[in-house]
Amino acid sequence: AQSVTQLGSHVSVSEGALVLLRCNYSSSVPPYLFWYVQYPNQGLQLLLKYTTGATLVKGINGFEAEFKKSETSFHLTKPSAHMSDAAEYFCAVIRGGSEKLVFGKGTKLTVNP
Amino acid sequence: EPEVTQTPSHQVTQMGQEVILRCVPISNHLYFYWYRQILGQKVEFLVSFYNNEISEKSEIFDDQFSVERPDGSNFTLKIRSTKLEDSAMYFCASSLGQYNSPLHFGNGTRLTVT
Repeated sequence: AQSVTQLGSHVSVSEGALVLLRCNYSSSVPPYLFWYVQYPNQGLQLLLKYTTGATLVKGINGFEAEFKKSETSFHLTKPSAHMSDAAEYFCAVIRGGSEKLVFGKGTKLTVNP
Repeated sequence: EPEVTQTPSHQVTQMGQEVILRCVPISNHLYFYWYRQILGQKVEFLVSFYNNEISEKSEIFDDQFSVERPDGSNFTLKIRSTKLEDSAMYFCASSLGQYNSPLHFGNGTRLTVT
């Protein structure tokens, strides 16, 4: 069975500071990994994904994530937070052969001026 | 950019009533999904649908639930006899392909069962 753990349900950073949102997964086979963002009253929007190949993945809005198999992690980072980054972020995993996307509980990011 | 649209945005219904949640997926997408998020909990997979049939479903998706693509554009989720615990945000999603094709989500329908 697959699962996703996001450390910290709330993360608060200052504008211009580094954003680090943590995600660890468990999967019995190599997974596909995703980060989604949800702005208030909106649906989930794909930020980035890892399937195969380069382990450092770049996404939209300056976000990137690194797949570390040895640590079973897929942490999301952004060098400099912007006020518009305030949202809820979800890490998700899908196993090849299944269509079921398994989500973490989400991390709400607050950006302070 | 094409979007997945869901109607209504908020539905209130009484326990035991039937409810239909509607979705219009992106027109050239082939795979369709329903997910739900109970307040304070994870987004959970309910069902996937391809080629006019269910391709995978979760243990949550019991006989009270059904999905249909009645025409070429709509994708619906029906709950036959709603329970209080069905109160949640329901998200429709669609994708071009399987597995690593990104899912495009709608804005959700908030279902409140009283």
